[in-house]
Amino acid sequence: LAKTTQPISMDSYEGQEVNITCSHNNIATNDYITWYQQFPSQGPRFIIQGYKTKVTNEVASLFIPADRKSSTLSLPRVSLSDTAVYYCLLSGGYNKLIFGAGTRLAVHP
Amino acid sequence: EADIYQTPRYLVIGTGKKITLECSQTMGHDKMYWYQQDPGMELHLIHYSYGVNSTEKGDLSSESTVSRIRTEHFPLTLESARPSHTSQYLCASSVASGHNEQFFGPGTRLTVL
Repeated sequence: LAKTTQPISMDSYEGQEVNITCSHNNIATNDYITWYQQFPSQGPRFIIQGYKTKVTNEVASLFIPADRKSSTLSLPRVSLSDTAVYYCLLSGGYNKLIFGAGTRLAVHP
Repeated sequence: EADIYQTPRYLVIGTGKKITLECSQTMGHDKMYWYQQDPGMELHLIHYSYGVNSTEKGDLSSESTVSRIRTEHFPLTLESARPSHTSQYLCASSVASGHNEQFFGPGTRLTVL
């Protein structure tokens, strides 16, 4: 099964743009790339999903190169409340719901 | 806000007890899931369901069982709890079609003494 690899942790400061990259070298043709955010003692929350190129919504952008072997979540102008764990997920069907280890983002004043 | 609920939020129980973790959603979603997550670790899918009377094992082996008698309800049962079952259990749901967003409940933190 395809797995994802992310940095274990990242640090940033308020107002900066944060880019978190996820590697998924064995991504399958039918896999979508989805990112979730999780705060302590809460369930994950959907941020964004894409298949290829670029997707943007009101909270983030997702960049996916043509080979789809990686993806980058971009959070513009982070605030302290963006401190959380961010998971990269491949979703190709019921039996391929694979969460990465997650990236712990710490936003500092 | 997603309308998916889990009870209890916290449970401390002795070894050998039978427990049921409740999960309900009011969104009419056909797909439902159970994940297990140890502190600071990744989520692992342990059960999922396509719809009523459909249940499947996930990618992580689990001694728990699930049932899906009603669309909105997806309880997880441990017949005999052991300390190795101590973990956080997260329930989620999504619509049936495509690669859709999963809505997660707040989780149940289980401690087996």
